[in-house]
Amino acid sequence: KQEVTQIPAALSVPEGENLVLNCSFTDSAIYNLQWFRQDPGKGLTSLLLIQSSQREQTSGRLNASLDKSSGRSTLYIAASQPGDSATYLCAVRELGSARQLTFGSGTQLTVLP
Amino acid sequence: DTAVSQTPKYLVTQMGNDKSIKCEQNLGHDTMYWYKQDSKKFLKIMFSYNNKELIINETVPNRFSPKSPDKAHLNLHINSLELGDSAVYFCASSLLSGAYNEQFFGPGTRLTVL
Repeated sequence: KQEVTQIPAALSVPEGENLVLNCSFTDSAIYNLQWFRQDPGKGLTSLLLIQSSQREQTSGRLNASLDKSSGRSTLYIAASQPGDSATYLCAVRELGSARQLTFGSGTQLTVLP
Repeated sequence: DTAVSQTPKYLVTQMGNDKSIKCEQNLGHDTMYWYKQDSKKFLKIMFSYNNKELIINETVPNRFSPKSPDKAHLNLHINSLELGDSAVYFCASSLLSGAYNEQFFGPGTRLTVL
């Protein structure tokens, strides 16, 4: 059964720092991997989607990488801003018939002004 | 023009009641999902429907019954609500296959059972 782990559980950094969030998964047979952002009391906003055949995706200050063989993904945030403060969730999409997402428990990021 | 919408946003009810949550997507997706986010913020799949057919049913009490009248709608009916059902329920949709299979989530329904 797929398990997704995110480290660290919480992270606090000063504004302007570059940072890396980590995600690991136990079964490398995945369809794709998706990074989400969740603000307190809000829904999930999709940030980046990496197909299983891809190594990385970029969107603005965000860069996500995928190493399927080792079961790892990282989300790199450049020049962090207070508005980046949120919980970041990593989710892998299964290869099974439903291709549902299996989520990690998230990293709560606080960017201090 | 919201892509995935859910109603209601908040639901407060007494134990033992029956309630429904509605979900609609206007993205032309063929697959819809219900996820539950517990008090520890952990998200877990409950159900998935593809073209109105149930394709996954995780270990969820049979008090929970999803219904998909068409591809754009997936409703969740809950009978005999219990305290432990309190959570945020998220609906999502996607294409099952192909390159553009990103999952999009609704804003969530916060259910509180008293």
